[in-house]
Amino acid sequence: DVKVTQSSRYLVKRTGEKVFLECVQDMDHENMFWYRQDPGLGLRLIYFSYDVKMKEKGDIPEGYSVSREKKERFSLILESASTNQTSMYLCASYSRTDNQPQHFGDGTRLSIL
Amino acid sequence: AQSVTQPDIHITVSEGASLELRCNYSYGATPYLFWYVQSPGQGLQLLLKYFSGDTLVQGIKGFEAEFKRSQSSFNLRKPSVHWSDAAEYFCAVGALNAGNMLTFGGGTRLMVKP
Repeated sequence: DVKVTQSSRYLVKRTGEKVFLECVQDMDHENMFWYRQDPGLGLRLIYFSYDVKMKEKGDIPEGYSVSREKKERFSLILESASTNQTSMYLCASYSRTDNQPQHFGDGTRLSIL
Repeated sequence: AQSVTQPDIHITVSEGASLELRCNYSYGATPYLFWYVQSPGQGLQLLLKYFSGDTLVQGIKGFEAEFKRSQSSFNLRKPSVHWSDAAEYFCAVGALNAGNMLTFGGGTRLMVKP
């Protein structure tokens, strides 16, 4: 069974801090995604990666960056956290070859004070 | 551009009653459609998916959904709701290659009365 692990379930940071959210998957999936989830807005795609060192902007990339140095790990970076980035962040992975939908981690609830 | 609309933000049903959650989509090509469920504090779990073929698809936990191309809808149904079904439900539409680049609806929060 696919396992997508997000390093923190809850995180509290201060405005202006640099924040790292980590995601690891154990199924050798090529594609990985970062979403943020806000009430009434569903999930919105921040960034995705289709291979190591490759990244593409999603719908709301402003204020975020990502890093994919290894296939199993996809990091989301808030360069200078702001209060409007308080949200639930979800990571997902997907394999182009197994014709299965995206698999999600349990999420990180991030609060920026 | 693709979009997904879930018209009902909140729904409350009594335990044992039937359930239908609405989903309408806008997509330029053949859509791949999904329903996910999110229990409190958890990530998203896939309930069911539609790729092609029979327009009535069965999922886990007794859920089913019907794809109606003419109405651009993919409504989720369950004949008898259990208290454990209380959660948030998301409809999503994706590209032809099996769910890549999903677009999600805003979600419907289901509450179940005893």
